[in-house]
Amino acid sequence: EAGVTQSPTHLIKTRGQQATLRCSPISGHTSVYWYQQALGLGLQFLLWYDEGEERNRGNFPPRFSGRQFPNYSSELNVNALELEDSALYLCASSLGGGELFFGEGSRLTVL
Amino acid sequence: QKEVEQNSGPLSVPEGAIASLNCTYSDRGSQSFFWYRQYSGKSPELIMFIYSNGDKEDGRFTAQLNKASQYVSLLIRDSQPSDSATYLCAVRDTSGTYKYIFGTGTRLKVLA
Repeated sequence: EAGVTQSPTHLIKTRGQQATLRCSPISGHTSVYWYQQALGLGLQFLLWYDEGEERNRGNFPPRFSGRQFPNYSSELNVNALELEDSALYLCASSLGGGELFFGEGSRLTVL
Repeated sequence: QKEVEQNSGPLSVPEGAIASLNCTYSDRGSQSFFWYRQYSGKSPELIMFIYSNGDKEDGRFTAQLNKASQYVSLLIRDSQPSDSATYLCAVRDTSGTYKYIFGTGTRLKVLA
């Protein structure tokens, strides 16, 4: 059974550009979570989607947004990129509030 | 602000020893607790979860939960150099948001 898949693996952008990251959850999982992990730091909660709806968001500015599609895949959009947005972006899925399973992450570098 | 706290380490143990990792949490109503292992540059990997007070064993790993004292621990028996990683404790928020709160992790170094 396939795990959580994320794309792209690496992404390089310049300040002011937009980045789009994608995530496919484990089959049957309806919840998708996004976390940001800056170098050497902990996981910061970004967004939670369930059944196509945004259920909760962390303490991030509105330029961080996303959506969940009918097949439960999700995308994270980051507008007006800033240097401090450089981080590993992790997607995780779960079923009914159980264990979180993470994808391999997308490493975003903003120059 | 609900918090999950861990000692950042590094915690150094010799090969074959027991590594003990601890985590405290602030939300007294928390019901679900998770331990993840994260190798440098990689994504977190679920090791164990525990929902009830007491011990839960899985191979070389034992998770211990004490809700009265609001701490959860992870014991790794017969530690191997391959266990060297950062261990993250996570607690599921009980406010109905299903948000998972992570500690900053404890870095474990197993010395050969």
